Amino acid sequence: SQTIHQWPATLVQPVGSPLSLECTVEGTSNPNLYWYRQAAGRGLQLLFYSVGIGQISSEVPQNLSASRPQDRQFILSSKKLLLSDSGFYLCAWSVGVNQPQHFGDGTRLSIL
Amino acid sequence: RKEVEQDPGPFNVPEGATVAFNCTYSNSASQSFFWYRQDCRKEPKLLMSVYSSGNEDGRFTAQLNRASQYISLLIRDSKLSDSATYLCAVNHARGGTYKYIFGTGTRLKVLA
Repeated sequence: SQTIHQWPATLVQPVGSPLSLECTVEGTSNPNLYWYRQAAGRGLQLLFYSVGIGQISSEVPQNLSASRPQDRQFILSSKKLLLSDSGFYLCAWSVGVNQPQHFGDGTRLSIL
Repeated sequence: RKEVEQDPGPFNVPEGATVAFNCTYSNSASQSFFWYRQDCRKEPKLLMSVYSSGNEDGRFTAQLNRASQYISLLIRDSKLSDSATYLCAVNHARGGTYKYIFGTGTRLKVLA
């Protein structure tokens, strides 16, 4: 069966520090991968998605970036975090664009 | 108009009650529809896909109304454990590809 791993679960970072969140999927090949952010009391905002290695589409201009160095690995990064980057970050995968998405446990990021 | 809209609630219902949520979408070309459940401070989990003919899974029934562009989720015999936020997701045509759009969720509280 397929599983998705996302870490760390919680992270507290100072403003201006870098960020790297990692997500890996097991049990499937060539998944579609997604990064979302959910601010407190808000909906899911799609940040990036990828349909293959090295293929990244950005949904919202921001100081975040994403990379997919391997088929089942998706990384969310920032060189300098802003206060507004606080939130709940979720990685998800699907087998195709018309298929349901399955989420990792999420990373709760607090910027101080 | 938002691409996907949900009544935020909360819907407070007694145990054993039947409750229904709607989710409206703006793009008539939307292809796939899903309901997710999200517990407080947790990741969304797929509850069920929504098929054109309607579908049922135990106490949960999902329906699609393409003419009026909404999907619905009916929960019968509500349990305390059904308390959560219910998110709808619509696979939305945009720019030659399909993207998931999530609603902001409807909060359900089942009361003893």
